[in-house]
Amino acid sequence: GQNIDQPTEMTATEGAIVQINCTYQTSGFNGLFWYQQHAGEAPTFLSYNVLDGLEEKGRFSSFLSRSKGYSYLLLKELQMKDSASYLCAVRHSGAGSYQLTFGKGTKLSVIP
Amino acid sequence: GAVVSQHPSRVICKSGTSVKIECRSLDFQATTMFWYRQFPKKSLMLMATSNEGSKATYEQGVEKDKFLINHASLTLSTLTVTSAHPEDSSFYICSARVRAPRETQYFGPGTRLLVL
Repeated sequence: GQNIDQPTEMTATEGAIVQINCTYQTSGFNGLFWYQQHAGEAPTFLSYNVLDGLEEKGRFSSFLSRSKGYSYLLLKELQMKDSASYLCAVRHSGAGSYQLTFGKGTKLSVIP
Repeated sequence: GAVVSQHPSRVICKSGTSVKIECRSLDFQATTMFWYRQFPKKSLMLMATSNEGSKATYEQGVEKDKFLINHASLTLSTLTVTSAHPEDSSFYICSARVRAPRETQYFGPGTRLLVL
């Protein structure tokens, strides 16, 4: 089966940097996604890592270590609008197709 | 980026009725679409994988006769909740698989179902 762990909640200050960690155990690993989900809305795509290393995209960066089963999402220069849930999702092969299994999400609260 | 729409965005129905939810990829073709369900404050749960022109693949514990999925074209997949019950009330989200320039999924805006 698939197992994905990430912290339930985090709080950070506007303008600061926050790192959201995700650890996973899976078979047939084929990439890791980070999504942002505001309350009551569908998730939106943030990043995709399939190789080890850091991927930077503006204020958001994502890191992957496949050997450690570990990823993190780094948010810089936090803004109030960054308050949302951040979902770590692992893509894995199964039944002849690829599927995503989501972690429970980390609710980030950005405070002034 | 790729756009996925869902219709309706919100539906209220009586117990025992059936509800159809449409998921469309607006500016691209999707051979594979996924249907998820999300209960309040819970993670997304994959219900089924919908493949154009073939039967959907359901996750363990999801009743295929209750949640009918049809992927009749490359831009449309439908989920029909048959004989809905209050416990089916949830947020249903579809996504479409994109392979180029990089593999990802684009999500629809979701459909909030309330069964009375």
